[in-house]
Amino acid sequence: GIQVEQSPPDLILQEGANSTLRCNFSDSVNNLQWFHQNPWGQLINLFYIPSGTKQNGRLSATTVATERYSLLYISSSQTTDSGVYFCAVVYSGGYQKVTFGTGTKLQVIP
Amino acid sequence: SAVISQKPSRDICQRGTSLTIQCQVDSQVTMMFWYRQQPGQSLTLIATANQGSEATYESGFVIDKFPISRPNLTFSTLTVSNMSPEDSSIYLCSVEDRTRGYTFGSGTRLTVV
Repeated sequence: GIQVEQSPPDLILQEGANSTLRCNFSDSVNNLQWFHQNPWGQLINLFYIPSGTKQNGRLSATTVATERYSLLYISSSQTTDSGVYFCAVVYSGGYQKVTFGTGTKLQVIP
Repeated sequence: SAVISQKPSRDICQRGTSLTIQCQVDSQVTMMFWYRQQPGQSLTLIATANQGSEATYESGFVIDKFPISRPNLTFSTLTVSNMSPEDSSIYLCSVEDRTRGYTFGSGTRLTVV
């Protein structure tokens, strides 16, 4: 099956700092999403981005499908950004399947 | 986008018992998906539930342990059977939104003692 690796696995930021999270995948995908899992376990859909660049406030994402990676940018980080960030790819493995990446655990400190 | 109501939000269960988790969607959907997230880990797909047919289970998951029902296009249940402490996880249901990708329920945090 497809492999989805995220880096870095852990990240500690001072409030106000910027960061870039990376998602690499081993095969062609139909779609890609970024999620934020808050400390209560809820998964929040950040971006649905099979290719190109999207922005939503302080967050933006870029997917380069031909090179099999996606980036999530967080600018001016806030303590509420803390949690785990997952990318998830959708590919056709017999039928359409979703595979989650390994995750990046982010802690933003005041 | 679709809104999913999942319950219970958390439970503490005795080993050897079973727990049924429910997911209700506010619109009709063809497929519903069930995931498990073990402590500190990523999400793993358990099975895909289609209305009117048996669920399709991923490698490592079996129907006797995780029976699924899908009685209509807006509802599904996942049962975790004969639980052991290793079943302590967050369980989540999901549906696909054509324009926004996959949406998830708020999850069920299960602790088996």
